[in-house]
This record gives sequence, C-alpha cells and structure tokens, in this order.
Amino acid sequence: QQQVKQSPQSLIVQKGGISIINCAYENTAFDYFPWYQQFPGKGPALLIAIRPDVSEKKEGRFTISFNKSAKQFSLHIMDSQPGDSATYFCAAAQNTGGFKTIFGAGTRLFVKA
Amino acid sequence: EAGVAQSPRYKIIEKRQSVAFWCNPISGHATLYWYQQILGQGPKLLIQFQNNGVVDDSQLPKDRFSAERLKGVDSTLKIQPAKLEDSAVYLCASSLVGVDTDTQYFGPGTRLTVL
Repeated sequence: QQQVKQSPQSLIVQKGGISIINCAYENTAFDYFPWYQQFPGKGPALLIAIRPDVSEKKEGRFTISFNKSAKQFSLHIMDSQPGDSATYFCAAAQNTGGFKTIFGAGTRLFVKA
Repeated sequence: EAGVAQSPRYKIIEKRQSVAFWCNPISGHATLYWYQQILGQGPKLLIQFQNNGVVDDSQLPKDRFSAERLKGVDSTLKIQPAKLEDSAVYLCASSLVGVDTDTQYFGPGTRLTVL
C-alpha cells in the first residue's frame, strides 16, 4: 500500500515532442505529489509538485495531471529538449508531523536531437 | 545559498568493514533525510530527523546502520559491518518544516561500493 508504481522505465522522445510519465499509488492518505529530476552524478532536484485538491498544475513546459479517483498522476513535458534527458522520479508523501516520501522507481528519458 | 554538502563522494570498502558518511544540510533546514538509492531504483528513505529527533527510521536496518544528528545540524550515517548489498548511493536531503509542501534539497550523494 506504500508503493508508488511508475512507468515507463525508459522513454525515447524526439526533440520537440511530448514526454509522458505515469504514476499510480494506493494509499489515499498521501497528500503531496512531487516530481524530481536527476542528472547523472547529481542528487534529485524538485521539478514540480501538486496537492490532491488540484487536478492540474503547469509550470513552463512541465505539467502534472492528477486523477484522485483513479489514484494516478502523470508528468507531461511539452516541447521536449535534449537538456531534459535525465531520470524522473514521481513521489507521494504524507504529512505525519513531517513529510514521509515514497519514490517511484524512475523513468530514464532520452530526448533525441 | 550553499546546497547540501556530503562527503566523501566515493568510498570503496571490503565487506564486513565499517564506513561513515557525513552530511551538512542547508542552513536553517530543520528536517534532514538519509536515502539509499540502489542503481536503477528510486531513493528509499532510511531515516528522517527533525532537529535532533528521529521522525522515522522504520526502514533503517538497525542491526548494522546507525545515524545521528548533532545539535540539529550535521549528520552522520554509519554502516557496520557492511554487506555486499549495501552497495548504493547514499543521499542526504534537507528541507524546511512545511505544512502543505515539502521541497527536499538533495546533496550529490556518496557512492559506496562494497567488495
């Protein structure tokens, strides 16, 4: 019940295309859903996040779509660029006097120039 | 603003040896996390501190792993004795105490190889 399932494992997209990464969770107590971006040799960095009372959040080329009833959420990267090539992790967190965060397994994105 | 600092960046040890990792969080961040990231997987929380106190250590293998956070600032994570399956990147992160959101700032990690 604490798992966050992420798909696909890897993704190859042409420059200018749309990258879509999907995640699903079981625990309805999760109340914060961040996405992190990780480049090789670096720690993850927060990209964008959403709370379950919102169905969509957009920041520049990055959009989170959230479906509370289906317990699914996804990251859309519009106009994907080679510089977006990285590993993306979805996560789900529950505030129990401090946020406990469960990460998905990650999606390795490669954007072809 | 300085980021989360970790040292060493790389460590190679033999199994059954001990090893320690150090983390200096962003100034003013009350919450500090240690994660284990095995190659090809997402980070897995080992222990979470808020100031000096432990918030969650449910996934810390306490027979071999220990962690402390002195004076609510720096933290060390120790493994004694190490096993082959401990080979991973150990990430430290810190965050402010949030009500609705939690932006975790990660350090570059320590890559541990156990031979």
